[in-house]
Amino acid sequence: RKEVEQDPGPFNVPEGATVAFNCTYSNSASQSFFWYRQDCRKEPKLLMSVYSSGNEDGRFTAQLNRASQYISLLIRDSKLSDSATYLCVVSRSGGSYIPTFGRGTSLIVHP
Amino acid sequence: EAQVTQNPRYLITVTGKKLTVTCSQNMNHEYMSWYRQDPGLGLRQIYYSMNVEVTDKGDVPEGYKVSRKEKRNFPLILESPSPNQTSLYFCASRLGYTEAFFGQGTRLTVV
Repeated sequence: RKEVEQDPGPFNVPEGATVAFNCTYSNSASQSFFWYRQDCRKEPKLLMSVYSSGNEDGRFTAQLNRASQYISLLIRDSKLSDSATYLCVVSRSGGSYIPTFGRGTSLIVHP
Repeated sequence: EAQVTQNPRYLITVTGKKLTVTCSQNMNHEYMSWYRQDPGLGLRQIYYSMNVEVTDKGDVPEGYKVSRKEKRNFPLILESPSPNQTSLYFCASRLGYTEAFFGQGTRLTVV
């Protein structure tokens, strides 16, 4: 089983739709969780951290389920500009907090 | 402006010709790292550095070297590049538990 798995998509949704991505991780000792956004041929950019209690930033909501070892990202009222690849990142501990990136989920928002 | 600067952005080289990709950050971050990104494989960490003169292997270090003689710079060295090192490379620096800032990427082609 891969350490971090994501559905590659693409998820093709109309503007205004609500879309959710899941990401599963295999290492139960994982400590920190994040979502990144990457536009085509550009560098990844940190979107948000994922906390145990769940957290929200505008139209974006991230949640963590430690028991089932997955994190999720919910995007409400999708905009055309949300089209991108969303990367799930899990950091394991050991002093250096080495991050492992998922392969990403592609989102296409159409008019 | 906080940034990570990589050079060059694009490079085509021949097998066996040593090359260096430079990376510099202006945020006084202690932690820096190098990744490669390949289609279908996502981002994979090559090397990381927790501070000056402290470097360690990531998941795919074979064929690469790094050095960290000063905090701001973290060059990636390919002593004898091979075609399987054709990839998109990102340098990153960290604030906290995950990569907060990525460089714009270096697209390397080895022929």
